[in-house]
Amino acid sequence: EVQLVESGGGLVQPGGSLRLSCAASGFIFSKHWMSWVRQVPGKGLEWVANIREDGNEEYYLDSVRGRFTISRDNAKNSLYLQMNSLRAEDRAVYYCARDRAYNYGLSDYWGQGTLVTVSS
Amino acid sequence: DIQMTQSPSTLSASVGDRVTITCRASQSINRWLAWYQQKPGKAPKLLIYEASRLESGVPSRFSGSGSGTEFTLTISSLQPDDFAAYYCQQYNNHSPYTFGQGTKLEIK
Repeated sequence: EVQLVESGGGLVQPGGSLRLSCAASGFIFSKHWMSWVRQVPGKGLEWVANIREDGNEEYYLDSVRGRFTISRDNAKNSLYLQMNSLRAEDRAVYYCARDRAYNYGLSDYWGQGTLVTVSS
Repeated sequence: DIQMTQSPSTLSASVGDRVTITCRASQSINRWLAWYQQKPGKAPKLLIYEASRLESGVPSRFSGSGSGTEFTLTISSLQPDDFAAYYCQQYNNHSPYTFGQGTKLEIK
């Protein structure tokens, strides 16, 4: 059974940093692109970033490029999102998602999400 | 960036009704479109991919159609479990993989 479990969310002040983690199990992690998608509570979904199977190619939403860094550790079956210079508008539930093999961008399994709140 | 416009934003319907949700892309995305269902407090669930391919385990009352810029999700006979939010998403090119704004399907 595919499982994705996010952690690391919480309350941070504007300008602060946070690192989200996603522990993956139940599939061959190193064979899938992985994504982060966020959702402001009560609002729509917004793709944030994704990373190639080997970690050597990454893509970002314009509004987070230069502030957020996606990374992975295939030996630990883990995905990360380092978030720096956080803004109030980054407040959201952040979902880790598996992209279907050969279909990057198509997220077929999702974690339950971790809430990031940016407030002073 | 490719913009995805979904309509309606809210849809009221009854059990047994046939409903259709539309998603329009600002430029051609071929058939690289997915539909997700999301219930309150839960993660999205993939229903349809490549515009019309039904994800494994999804009931056959769900169907998708379209190509290029116009797409639809149809539920042939609404069941109580179907009342939720629905989102389209394009995955035509590397980024960003934009979502529609969502459709909330409510019980009439």
